[in-house]
Amino acid sequence: KQEVTQIPAALSVPEGENLVLNCSFTDSAIYNLQWFRQDPGKGLTSLLLIQSSQREQTSGRLNASLDKSSGRSTLYIAASQPGDSATYLCALTQGGSEKLVFGKGTKLTVNP
Amino acid sequence: DTEVTQTPKHLVMGMTNKKSLKCEQHMGHRAMYWYKQKAKKPPELMFVYSYEKLSINESVPSRFSPECPNSSLLNLHLHALQPEDSALYLCASSRGGLVSLGNEQFFGPGTRLTVL
Repeated sequence: KQEVTQIPAALSVPEGENLVLNCSFTDSAIYNLQWFRQDPGKGLTSLLLIQSSQREQTSGRLNASLDKSSGRSTLYIAASQPGDSATYLCALTQGGSEKLVFGKGTKLTVNP
Repeated sequence: DTEVTQTPKHLVMGMTNKKSLKCEQHMGHRAMYWYKQKAKKPPELMFVYSYEKLSINESVPSRFSPECPNSSLLNLHLHALQPEDSALYLCASSRGGLVSLGNEQFFGPGTRLTVL
């Protein structure tokens, strides 16, 4: 059974710092991996989708990488801002299913 | 336009009430999803509709009844709910078709449901 782990569960950094959020998974047979952010009480905002054939994707200050062989994905946030404070979730699909398997998230706080 | 809309934003209902949640997207997506999210937990999949047909039911109790009237609309009918069903209910959509092509899921803002 696929398990998705996100460490740390919470992270607090000063504004301007570059940071990395980690996501690991136990079964490397995935189709794609998606990173989301969620603000308290709100829906999920899709940040980046990496297909299994890709190594990384970039959008603005965000860069996501995927290493299937080691079962890891990272989300790099450059020059963090207080507005980046949110919970970040990684989720993946596998086995021909449209079902997303989620990690428990990393709660990020960027302090002014 | 990558917007998924959900109504209502908030819903309070008694255990004997019947209510419905509504989800709409106009991105031409052919897969639509219902998720349930409890506080400080990740979303849990409830149902998936693919090309207006129910393709996944994650053993959800029958007091939750999904409906997909057309490719743009998804409803969740609620009846005889329990207080433990109180949660944020999220709708999502994706292009559908071959998953191996990488279908990005887009989520709505959710309906905050409270069952008294």
